[in-house]
Amino acid sequence: RKEVEQDPGPFNVPEGATVAFNCTYSNSASQSFFWYRQDCRKEPKLLMSVYSSGNEDGRFTAQLNRASQYISLLIRDSKLSDSATYLCVVKAAGNKLTFGGGTRVLVKP
Amino acid sequence: GAVVSQHPSWVICKSGTSVKIECRSLDFQATTMFWYRQFPKQSLMLMATSNEGSKATYEQGVEKDKFLINHASLTLSTLTVTSAHPEDSSFYICSARVVGGPSYNEQFFGPGTRLTVL
Repeated sequence: RKEVEQDPGPFNVPEGATVAFNCTYSNSASQSFFWYRQDCRKEPKLLMSVYSSGNEDGRFTAQLNRASQYISLLIRDSKLSDSATYLCVVKAAGNKLTFGGGTRVLVKP
Repeated sequence: GAVVSQHPSWVICKSGTSVKIECRSLDFQATTMFWYRQFPKQSLMLMATSNEGSKATYEQGVEKDKFLINHASLTLSTLTVTSAHPEDSSFYICSARVVGGPSYNEQFFGPGTRLTVL
């Protein structure tokens, strides 16, 4: 079983719609959680950290469910520029980041 | 945010040659840098953790004699792929950890180096 699992997608989303997807992690000792965005052939870039109480950054909302060991990302009012691969990233003790395989999102006009 | 550069951005080499990739933190000091590898349609896999002034820590399954890491200064880490083979063709990405300021402990990624071994 992979340490961090994601639905690879793609999620085809009409422009303006809402899309949400989850990520599950196997290490119950995981301490920090992040969503990164990666465009094709580019490096990943931090989208947002995920906090226990859930947090929002503009059109993006992240949730953490420690009991079920998953995190989620919701994108409202999708823009064409939101098309990317979204990487779920988990950090246990120390500084090692473990990446999920990514969820590909395609926003179409 | 902090800026990390990599050089070269892409390289094509013949099988059996060695390739050196540089990772630099441009506006901050990084005592710890990380090297990742990403194969097509797969996620980033951590190869090793590079610590300034000491030996790198390699992840399980990564050959330390094949992937030489040197972190000689607080702003530069290098990864040398020795005797490269076609199966080493991949996207190599480094990251550097910020140890102070508002971005404390965040990792910033370099733009990556695409290696193609013929």
